[in-house]
Amino acid sequence: ILNVEQSPQSLHVQEGDSTNFTCSFPSSNFYALHWYRWETAKSPEALFVMTLNGDEKKKGRISATLNTKEGYSYLYIKGSQPEDSATYLCAFMFSGGYNKLIFGAGTRLAVHP
Amino acid sequence: NAGVTQTPKFRVLKTGQSMTLLCAQDMNHEYMYWYRQDPGMGLRLIHYSVGEGTTAKGEVPDGYNVSRLKKQNFLLGLESAAPSQTSVYFCASSQGLAGGSSYEQYFGPGTRLTVT
Repeated sequence: ILNVEQSPQSLHVQEGDSTNFTCSFPSSNFYALHWYRWETAKSPEALFVMTLNGDEKKKGRISATLNTKEGYSYLYIKGSQPEDSATYLCAFMFSGGYNKLIFGAGTRLAVHP
Repeated sequence: NAGVTQTPKFRVLKTGQSMTLLCAQDMNHEYMYWYRQDPGMGLRLIHYSVGEGTTAKGEVPDGYNVSRLKKQNFLLGLESAAPSQTSVYFCASSQGLAGGSSYEQYFGPGTRLTVT
């Protein structure tokens, strides 16, 4: 059974704090690791898709790293803003899986002004 | 470009009733997916399709059927709704794996279904 774990489950930070979340996934049959941002009452939107061990991706104040050998990815947010409040989902894509994703339960981030 | 749309947005059913959820995408994507999202759990794959006329079971297919008669549409059917099917349903689409696919999935706005 393929399992994707995310921690923490939820996080409350003050505006300006930097924060990071963890995604753990199977280290075998790896094809890609996705991060999605999911705002309340909206649909999930892709942040990053990473395919290579050691990949680092950045979009503004948000960045992500990937370690496929040990099966983890970190998402970092520098200088959190209230508009960063959302649930952050990671999803594992395995070889031969027709782009199927196994999602973690998400990390819910609340940034307080 | 509407992206991925879902119909309806909300629905309340009585146990035993049937209904069909419609997903449409205008991005010419090969692959389409139906997920359900329940509190405290990640998105779980119900069924998926890798092209027009094809469907396959996902992680939680029981109680659901799907059809992909046209490339742009993916229908999810509940033949006899049960309270355990109360959930938020998301449709998604992505390019196929062949040549230069970015793999990311594009999601619709969701359908909130309550079965009483």
